[in-house]
Amino acid sequence: EAGVAQSPRYKIIEKRQSVAFWCNPISGHATLYWYQQILGQGPKLLIQFQNNGVVDDSQLPKDRFSAERLKGVDSTLKIQPAKLEDSAVYLCASSPGPGPGTIYFGEGSWLTVV
Amino acid sequence: GENVEQHPSTLSVQEGDSAVIKCTYSDSASNYFPWYKQELGKGPQLIIDIRSNVGEKKDQRIAVTLNKTAKHFSLHITETQPEDSAVYFCAAFRGNDMRFGAGTRLTVKP
Repeated sequence: EAGVAQSPRYKIIEKRQSVAFWCNPISGHATLYWYQQILGQGPKLLIQFQNNGVVDDSQLPKDRFSAERLKGVDSTLKIQPAKLEDSAVYLCASSPGPGPGTIYFGEGSWLTVV
Repeated sequence: GENVEQHPSTLSVQEGDSAVIKCTYSDSASNYFPWYKQELGKGPQLIIDIRSNVGEKKDQRIAVTLNKTAKHFSLHITETQPEDSAVYFCAAFRGNDMRFGAGTRLTVKP
């Protein structure tokens, strides 16, 4: 089966610019996650969707980050305006449902803010 | 919220030796503990997991042990091979919330 697809793989932008990342989860997976992974650290959850509803966005910096999952399938994560400290890998992941179980990660979108 | 500590941060072993990575968690309500392997330029991939009602689980060369009383769990890799070189992350899951450790970079020297 196809895995979690993400694009773009790499992006370099200047601070104060905007950027958007796209994710297509595994077919049939109701739960979608966006994680931020700073170099040398473990992934940190930014937002979790169940179908097209938000389950948890407590760690999403809402003044600059936004995410949506229209129609409960694809999702986009936007950063506007970007700061230097946003340089990280943004990982999208999906699972069949909420609760404990295997979460499948995409290969990530690498963001460098200069 | 949950806090997951992982150590060591780096581990270097000789091919064929065993490797052990340890994690502790803070929330006694956590009930699911996966381990992920992340190779350079790729997303984390689940390699083994354990639930809170089990003390040990083994899959070929990989095993995980869980001590609920002490709130710690460990990953054991036996007969290590160069392709085991990667960053390994532990995680603890409670409710809808999964928290990751900071990772261990394992290097297996041929």
